[in-house]
Amino acid sequence: KQEVTQIPAALSVPEGENLVLNCSFTDSAIYNLQWFRQDPGKGLTSLLLIQSSQREQTSGRLNASLDKSSGRSTLYIAASQPGDSATYLCASIWGGSYIPTFGRGTSLIVHP
Amino acid sequence: NAGVTQTPKFQVLKTGQSMTLQCAQDMNHNSMYWYRQDPGMGLRLIYYSASEGTTDKGEVPNGYNVSRLNKREFSLRLESAAPSQTSVYFCASSESERGREYFGPGTRLTVT
Repeated sequence: KQEVTQIPAALSVPEGENLVLNCSFTDSAIYNLQWFRQDPGKGLTSLLLIQSSQREQTSGRLNASLDKSSGRSTLYIAASQPGDSATYLCASIWGGSYIPTFGRGTSLIVHP
Repeated sequence: NAGVTQTPKFQVLKTGQSMTLQCAQDMNHNSMYWYRQDPGMGLRLIYYSASEGTTDKGEVPNGYNVSRLNKREFSLRLESAAPSQTSVYFCASSESERGREYFGPGTRLTVT
């Protein structure tokens, strides 16, 4: 069974810092990888989706990269703000499957 | 655009009772999904519907049934609720299978 791991489970940073969230997966035959944000008590919001043929995707202050050979994706957040505080989850789908596997998330706190 | 809506927001059931969770999307998406989110387990797919008229099992389908009523609506039924089904349930949709997913706000279900 494929696994998706997110380390660290929690992160606290001062406002303005650039930060990187990590997502690793066990099988390089990935179809796509998606990054989500979840605020407490809310549903998930899709941030970026990277197809297996892509190396990165950007949206505003967010940049997600995908390295299939090393089994890693990173979400880079530039100039972090208190409003970025949330749990960030990654989810992968593999080539022959329609069932995504989610990581357990990184809980981010950005303090003023 | 309401996006993905779910009813009810909260529900308490006694063991053995039945209920149906409703989900609707107004984005003309073809694919719809039901997930459960449990502490320490992450998000897991229960059932999905790749297109109107089709449904398939996800990772944890036991104890649940689904109906894709039309392109907009996808319901999840618990025929005989068990305490192990206490969870937060999310509905999601995507334009196509394995595409970017848009989540509803969730239903918090407690089975006593």
